[in-house]
Amino acid sequence: DSGVTQTPKHLITATGQRVTLRCSPRSGDLSVYWYQQSLDQGLQFLIQYYNGEERAKGNILERFSAQQFPDLHSELNLSSLELGDSALYFCASSGRQGSEAFFGQGTRLTVV
Amino acid sequence: AQTVTQSQPEMSVQEAETVTLSCTYDTSESNYYLFWYKQPPSRQMILVIRQEAYKQQNATENRFSVNFQKAAKSFSLKISDSQLGDTAMYFCAFKRTGNQFYFGTGTSLTVIP
Repeated sequence: DSGVTQTPKHLITATGQRVTLRCSPRSGDLSVYWYQQSLDQGLQFLIQYYNGEERAKGNILERFSAQQFPDLHSELNLSSLELGDSALYFCASSGRQGSEAFFGQGTRLTVV
Repeated sequence: AQTVTQSQPEMSVQEAETVTLSCTYDTSESNYYLFWYKQPPSRQMILVIRQEAYKQQNATENRFSVNFQKAAKSFSLKISDSQLGDTAMYFCAFKRTGNQFYFGTGTSLTVIP
């Protein structure tokens, strides 16, 4: 158990809909990262938050947004969903400098 | 920008043999961290090993060891006595202090019984 909790584990929704993925980082970790992994693909970095502030942004679509709350949990909002958004979405957290990223189990999103 | 390159999309190894996965990276930084992650069919991301750039000694974790060549910007992973459970996708990752992680495209390793 990495200590990072992602909910829900599975999500099936229709095109055009909006969903929210939730992540609770390891206790004490200030950094949260979101990644997208399509089938048989690598990890696409979406966005990083550090202690509530956006730290880095990757290839995140304008239809996607995220935030980190004062209790350090984070949410990734995906709107106007398309079939191509079907993927495994990972949240990871890290703490002290140089610490590895601890990954959640991922949320498997299927857009039908 | 930092880049991480894994030039071997797929590899296979006989059970009990040794295999080496390659990774190179590009950075102008002198202080950074390198990692190998394993993603088995369950798709959980599992840390295999980590290396601090300021340490000259290569990291070792049981059957897993790295060959870290800082000047060459190379960070290969050696798996000794390969086991069926080692079958997975392996990702190399780079991180600057306080910054995001940069992942390679992965190497799919199959251990053959």
